[in-house]
Amino acid sequence: DQQVKQNSPSLSVQEGRISILNCDYTNSMFDYFLWYKKYPAEGPTFLISISSIKDKNEDGRFTVFLNKSAKHLSLHIVPSQPGDSAVYFCAASARDTGNQFYFGTGTSLTVIP
Amino acid sequence: DTAVSQTPKYLVTQMGNDKSIKCEQNLGHDTMYWYKQDSKKFLKIMFSYNNKELIINETVPNRFSPKSPDKAHLNLHINSLELGDSAVYFCASSHRAGNTIYFGEGSWLTVV
Repeated sequence: DQQVKQNSPSLSVQEGRISILNCDYTNSMFDYFLWYKKYPAEGPTFLISISSIKDKNEDGRFTVFLNKSAKHLSLHIVPSQPGDSAVYFCAASARDTGNQFYFGTGTSLTVIP
Repeated sequence: DTAVSQTPKYLVTQMGNDKSIKCEQNLGHDTMYWYKQDSKKFLKIMFSYNNKELIINETVPNRFSPKSPDKAHLNLHINSLELGDSAVYFCASSHRAGNTIYFGEGSWLTVV
């Protein structure tokens, strides 16, 4: 029972353009969301978070948007750089699930120079 | 200065063996976790400890036993290894349950 889904396993974007990574969830009680970046043979690295009281959070080139009614969040990277090439995971948690985080299966982003 | 460190990074072992993966965090966090990433890249929680006490124990074979000697350490022991245990195991920690999780580099376990 996968409560967090990333339906695009891969995405290719030209350097300098915008990368948009999408994430959908099924549990309407989720109230805290995280995005992670993972390079091969390394652990996931925290990128940016958003709580359900906001619909947008920005940190440099990274912006996360949350649409609670659609149970959808997205990560925008502008401008995309070759070093952004990695696998991106979204994760969600809720107090009624013991604050346990549920992860999507990741989207592999390739930024083409 | 690694925040969450786990050893070994790579482990190849035969079926039936018993092995351990060690994890230490120097972030001063109260909560530690073990996650498993399987061949389908699905990252799923196995265990969660808060101040040395087990708070989450997902449906995991009892061949897997976590041990937390103190709140900075959470080791994973696996008995009678099976082929299906081959995966990447990530240790992680957070200030409290529900806060941002910080991961270790992963331990690649291959059972042959």
